[in-house]
Amino acid sequence: EIVLTQSPATLSLSPGERATLSCRASQSVGTDLAWYQQRPGQAPRLLFYDSSNRATGIPARFSGSGSGTDFTLTISSLEPEDFAVYYCQQRSNWPPPITFGQGTRLEIK
Amino acid sequence: QVQLLQSGAEVKKPGASVMVSCKASGYTFSSYAIDWVRQAPGQGLEWMGWISAYNGNTNYAQKLQGRITLTTDTSTNTAYMELRSLRSDDTAVYYCARDPRRSIGPGQFDSWGQGTLVIVSS
Repeated sequence: EIVLTQSPATLSLSPGERATLSCRASQSVGTDLAWYQQRPGQAPRLLFYDSSNRATGIPARFSGSGSGTDFTLTISSLEPEDFAVYYCQQRSNWPPPITFGQGTRLEIK
Repeated sequence: QVQLLQSGAEVKKPGASVMVSCKASGYTFSSYAIDWVRQAPGQGLEWMGWISAYNGNTNYAQKLQGRITLTTDTSTNTAYMELRSLRSDDTAVYYCARDPRRSIGPGQFDSWGQGTLVIVSS
């Protein structure tokens, strides 16, 4: 099983600041990595697929990067609605084919 | 717009079965797959399985093999998830999600249902 480790577990920042979230895979996943945002009481929302392809309707302040085992989600200037939990997810040919990271909680400082 | 509308909350006793439905609208149902993902209270996301609405192929998480069945009804654009022999640790919110990878196995999830709470309690 490919394990995804997200860091930090919690990130405390203020609106307007830059956020950098990390996701590390236990073995290479190429660029088969996606990012999701989950606000309280809501379903997750796709932000990026294939590491850096922005999903429909996602603002340009969000960017995704990385390949192999190290991936980054960056939010250039935090808006109030960005404070949420973020998950990375990989797909592979190994069982299980889909795993999620444990999540990073982005909270208002 | 793409919409996935799930059935309502369920309360089940240990050992029972539950079936959750997911009705799709706003896109061509058979051109995509549907995945099911669950989230225990206060916990992260767990992938359960994938079904192609294109050809009916399925792929299940190993830990759920033998207890889960995914089906689709293309005449009503509805996907179903049945989970049997329920245990207390199956208590979770269950989500269906649209997956663009309709043929070669699960990929990523670009639209999600609103979630269905399933509580397993004696």
